Amino acid sequence: NAGVTQTPKFRVLKTGQSMTLLCAQDMNHEYMYWYRQDPGMGLRLIHYSVGEGTTAKGEVPDGYNVSRLKKQNFLLGLESAAPSQTSVYFCASSGGYGSSTDTQYFGPGTRLTVL
Amino acid sequence: SQQGEEDPQALSIQEGENATMNCSYKTSINNLQWYRQNSGRGLVHLILIRSNEREKHSGRLRVTLDTSKKSSSLLITASRAADTASYFCARRGSGNTGKLIFGQGTTLQVKP
Repeated sequence: NAGVTQTPKFRVLKTGQSMTLLCAQDMNHEYMYWYRQDPGMGLRLIHYSVGEGTTAKGEVPDGYNVSRLKKQNFLLGLESAAPSQTSVYFCASSGGYGSSTDTQYFGPGTRLTVL
Repeated sequence: SQQGEEDPQALSIQEGENATMNCSYKTSINNLQWYRQNSGRGLVHLILIRSNEREKHSGRLRVTLDTSKKSSSLLITASRAADTASYFCARRGSGNTGKLIFGQGTTLQVKP
């Protein structure tokens, strides 16, 4: 049981390049999330999904797109990377609505640098 | 910002001492969670306390919740060097989406 995995672990992009971050979970969770973590800012929610085929905007969605074509995968795309998107990106999943399933399980993170 | 406030931002103690971190929030909650993040790693869930609970224990961790003051505390007793990490509180956001709103975290250093 791998839990939540993220690929790649590290990436360096030039301004204007595009890339996709992949998140996969093997816990059959309904809900998945993408966060970014910047120094002194805590975690901020970019986009999330409450089920296969659904996505919604979080707190800081601009410059990112997501897709959830399969329940176990949640993709985060950067169409035209900017230096302001230099950050550590975390994916998380949870069982779904309800106090007993509020716990989120996190991946190890992707460190992205945009030059 | 919807983020909660945590204090202190940083805490440095000797091994064996207790560490207390505080979290305040502004809106009503169903529950509040605490997470740990080791350097360079993802967050790991530690404990969840429901709004009708006042205290909860898990090993050397003790979490208290005071809904009248909209605050929670995480106490780590008999700290170890391995407890060195950042600690975050999180509360559920609005709607049935499972979204969590995280505080900015307390960085704890436990010196051996």
